[in-house]
Amino acid sequence: RKEVEQDPGPFNVPEGATVAFNCTYSNSASQSFFWYRQDCRKEPKLLMSVYSSGNEDGRFTAQLNRASQYISLLIRDSKLSDSATYLCVVKAGTYKYIFGTGTRLKVLA
Amino acid sequence: NAGVTQTPKFQVLKTGQSMTLQCAQDMNHEYMSWYRQDPGMGLRLIHYSVGAGITDQGEVPNGYNVSRSTTEDFPLRLLSAAPSQTSVYFCASSYSPPGGARDTQYFGPGTRLTVL
Repeated sequence: RKEVEQDPGPFNVPEGATVAFNCTYSNSASQSFFWYRQDCRKEPKLLMSVYSSGNEDGRFTAQLNRASQYISLLIRDSKLSDSATYLCVVKAGTYKYIFGTGTRLKVLA
Repeated sequence: NAGVTQTPKFQVLKTGQSMTLQCAQDMNHEYMSWYRQDPGMGLRLIHYSVGAGITDQGEVPNGYNVSRSTTEDFPLRLLSAAPSQTSVYFCASSYSPPGGARDTQYFGPGTRLTVL
């Protein structure tokens, strides 16, 4: 079993739609959680950290469920510019970041 | 700030050749790391460093060497290139302390390496 698992997609959604991605992790001792965005042939960039109480940044909402060991990302009012691959990242040790394989999102006009 | 820079952007090697991928950051970050990204796989950690003079192995270290003589630079050396090392290589840096907003990793633009 992979340490961090994501549905690879692709998720094809129309503009304005709401879309949600989930990510599960296997190490219950994981400390920090993040969503990164990666555009085609570019480097990953931090989208948002994920806090236990849930957090929101504009149209993006991240949730953490430690009991079930999953993280979610909700995107409301999807824009064409949201098309990208979204990487779930779990920090499992002081210097150990585990990356999921990513979920591809394509927002259609 | 330039952030994290990597050179070269593209490289083609023949099997058995050696080369060094360069990485530099100007954010005074203690933690630096090298990842490789292959299709269908998440980024995998090759080596990392928690400060000048300190390096350690990640998940896939075989065939690679690193050194950290300064805070700014963290080069990755391929000793004898093999086709299995064809990949996209990303360097990243962050503040060392775990947790919190300062835990963010900043990535360089990547080096696309092909080994024939």
